[in-house]
Amino acid sequence: GQQVMQIPQYQHVQEGEDFTTYCNSSTTLSNIQWYKQRPGGHPVFLIQLVKSGEVKKQKRLTFQFGEAKKNSSLHITATQTTDVGTYFCAGGGSNYKLTFGKGTLLTVNP
Amino acid sequence: DADVTQTPRNRITKTGKRIMLECSQTKGHDRMYWYRQDPGLGLRLIYYSFDVKDINKGEISDGYSVSRQAQAKFSLSLESAIPNQTALYFCATSDFLGYTFGSGTRLTVV
Repeated sequence: GQQVMQIPQYQHVQEGEDFTTYCNSSTTLSNIQWYKQRPGGHPVFLIQLVKSGEVKKQKRLTFQFGEAKKNSSLHITATQTTDVGTYFCAGGGSNYKLTFGKGTLLTVNP
Repeated sequence: DADVTQTPRNRITKTGKRIMLECSQTKGHDRMYWYRQDPGLGLRLIYYSFDVKDINKGEISDGYSVSRQAQAKFSLSLESAIPNQTALYFCATSDFLGYTFGSGTRLTVV
């Protein structure tokens, strides 16, 4: 079945440093979604990428979808303490069912 | 009111007991899901339903059952709870724009 690998598992940064998490799928994806889960909270939808090579930005967050639609990345510029949480990628197949990566836990030292 | 409501928020139960976790949504979505979250394992799909008459097993359905009582209601049952079912359980709904998660039910089986 479809597998989605996400690295790193953990990342600790100083406030102001950049952060990147990477996602790789064993199969070609129809879309990829990114979610953020704050400590003690639930996953919250951030964005969906659909097109090969697509790049989308949300303020300090940049999301990319690979040309082969098998990998993706989330980059945060100049992290802030409010960025703390676990970031999940989720790969979509043809039936709207998502396969989630195991997430990257980001901690930020003020 | 939240778009996706889960009850109870926390539950402690004894091994061998039957327990039901409930989920209701006001998004009007046909698709609903139950996920389990364990530290380091990410989100794993237990069951999903694409409409009231459609129920499908996910990757970890053993020991669980579900009921889709209406478009808005999707409940998860543990017929005979065991300690390794201790976890955080999330219900979610989706359309083509992404998943909306409930706040979760933290279940402890002692």
